[in-house]
Amino acid sequence: AQKVTQAQTEISVVEKEDVTLDCVYETRDTTYYLFWYKQPPSGELVFLIRRNSFDEQNEISGRYSWNFQKSTSSFNFTITASQVVDSAVYFCALSVGDTGANSKLTFGKGITLSVRP
Amino acid sequence: ETGVTQSPTHLIKTRGQQVTLRCSSQSGHNTVSWYQQALGQGPQFIFQYYREEENGRGNFPPRFSGLQFPNYSSELNVNALELDDSALYLCASSLTQFYGYTFGSGTRLTVV
Repeated sequence: AQKVTQAQTEISVVEKEDVTLDCVYETRDTTYYLFWYKQPPSGELVFLIRRNSFDEQNEISGRYSWNFQKSTSSFNFTITASQVVDSAVYFCALSVGDTGANSKLTFGKGITLSVRP
Repeated sequence: ETGVTQSPTHLIKTRGQQVTLRCSSQSGHNTVSWYQQALGQGPQFIFQYYREEENGRGNFPPRFSGLQFPNYSSELNVNALELDDSALYLCASSLTQFYGYTFGSGTRLTVV
């Protein structure tokens, strides 16, 4: 069985602060994919990043960066110089297997990020 | 390229009734999944359809059923509604998991 743990439930920062959202996953599969999604108040889940289990290279996209460490089963997400528009609920998710079929996402409980002006 | 569209956006039903939620997948996507998101929780996988066949199901009772049509649009049906079925229902489509999943804005169902 797969499991995703997001131990932080709520984080509040002041604009321009850096913030890291933690994600720890569990799976016995050797092939898996990790995702981060953002959910604004409108409800839609916005895709941020996908990472496969064979690619531990960290990634940076603008103010966003992701740190994938298989040794600790973690896939953490850092927002640099946070902005009010970053306020949302952030979900880490996991899917296993290497085919398109039966590739359900297992989500964590989410982290509510509030960025104050 | 259109995204994933869900209808209706909001719905109120009475306990014991039946409901049908609809989803239009992103163009070219042959896989659709449905998720239930209770307030304050992460989405929970209900089931997935791949080329009109159900090929994965989460821990939901049989009163949750679905369909995928040849144009890859989809329906989620819930019979004998219970108060605990109140949630945001999200539809997600994908080509394969290699490309990630595109989610709709969801249908917020309230059962009274």
